Amino acid sequence: TQLLEQSPQFLSIQEGENLTVYCNSSSVFSSLQWYRQEPGEGPVLLVTVVTGGEVKKLKRLTFQFGDARKDSSLHITAAQPGDTGLYLCALNRGQGGKLIFGQGTELSVKP
Amino acid sequence: DAGITQSPRHKVTETGTPVTLRCHQTENHRYMYWYRQDPGHGLRLIHYSYGVKDTDKGEVSDGYSVSRSKTEDFLLTLESATSSQTSVYFCAISQGTGELFFGEGSRLTVL
Repeated sequence: TQLLEQSPQFLSIQEGENLTVYCNSSSVFSSLQWYRQEPGEGPVLLVTVVTGGEVKKLKRLTFQFGDARKDSSLHITAAQPGDTGLYLCALNRGQGGKLIFGQGTELSVKP
Repeated sequence: DAGITQSPRHKVTETGTPVTLRCHQTENHRYMYWYRQDPGHGLRLIHYSYGVKDTDKGEVSDGYSVSRSKTEDFLLTLESATSSQTSVYFCAISQGTGELFFGEGSRLTVL
């Protein structure tokens, strides 16, 4: 059973379009992180959200943590080819920094 | 950069042979982790370490062992490699906050 469900798994869009990626869990968690991974490289942390209802912005990326702290979303405005990559959400089990990862959303932005 | 290097970056081996992957960090972080990444499964935790000689199992630890004799080095050993262990292996480090810094990965193929 996947503790974290990400959707969609694959997303192919044109440059300039907007998109939203979702991360859902049946459990409440203390914090959630979003990572981005490019081919041949390791994941890189984008943001950590901690407080229910929290919204964080990173340039064209907007991250939201659900009020009940069981879900999160990543919204990209005016996507660019450089946004192409695998987006992973991860929840912190609060035990020495062990993370549980979702399956990932593979985003392709075509020029 | 978080100062993590993995070696080897690529390895092809035969079923039944032992394999050791090395992770080296220069950040003096207390926590170190080994994950494997497979299509459709995201990243899954194999083993982690919370200090020298202190290690514990993750969710997919069968067939793997680890050792940490120095703060900077975390070794992952496959005693007798199987084809199901063909994967990309990532090492990560953390100060225990849950924010992980990943290495570039080691691609292992078991024939």
